[in-house]
Amino acid sequence: AQSVTQPDIHITVSEGASLELRCNYSYGATPYLFWYVQSPGQGLQLLLKYFSGDTLVQGIKGFEAEFKRSQSSFNLRKPSVHWSDAAEYFCAVGPGGSQGNLIFGKGTKLSVKP
Amino acid sequence: SQTIHQWPATLVQPVGSPLSLECTVEGTSNPNLYWYRQAAGRGLQLLFYSVGIGQISSEVPQNLSASRPQDRQFILSSKKLLLSDSGFYLCAWSNQGEQYFGPGTRLTVT
Repeated sequence: AQSVTQPDIHITVSEGASLELRCNYSYGATPYLFWYVQSPGQGLQLLLKYFSGDTLVQGIKGFEAEFKRSQSSFNLRKPSVHWSDAAEYFCAVGPGGSQGNLIFGKGTKLSVKP
Repeated sequence: SQTIHQWPATLVQPVGSPLSLECTVEGTSNPNLYWYRQAAGRGLQLLFYSVGIGQISSEVPQNLSASRPQDRQFILSSKKLLLSDSGFYLCAWSNQGEQYFGPGTRLTVT
């Protein structure tokens, strides 16, 4: 079955500390992978995406993610967290192209301590 | 550039009343369109998606329906709201894999 697992429901980090949010997927075909961020009461914003090529992808707001096929993972990282990064983060997988729907994880809520 | 609008931003409706939420996309043609719901503390639930005018696929049997009367307009409706319909409704569009989301509508059924 196709699925996305975000094992951490809630993470708290101190401002300036590094961050890693975990994402594991189960997908039959070559996956297209995405990370989205959602601030309270707002829609989801695309942070970054992986389709092919370099397995380390850079996104907006200083985020990066690494695709590891052998581990079926696509973890999101940021070297130094800012208070404004407090939000909920969703990992998603899909077939790419114009057909097919995304499968979303249940999200990880990030809190940032001053 | 592409933009996606949702209307209204917030809505409070009594149980049994009808519902109509609207989503419009600008700056792209023939997008795939999606309706999602987020209940408090839960992830995204895909409700409907559409690959073209008049083409609607339902993911979850429920009290809601969707229509796509124009290429870039997607409407979510209900004839009679239930308390369980409360939540945050998100519209999204895509045409090359990634989805782009609107600002959402907060629906409270009382």
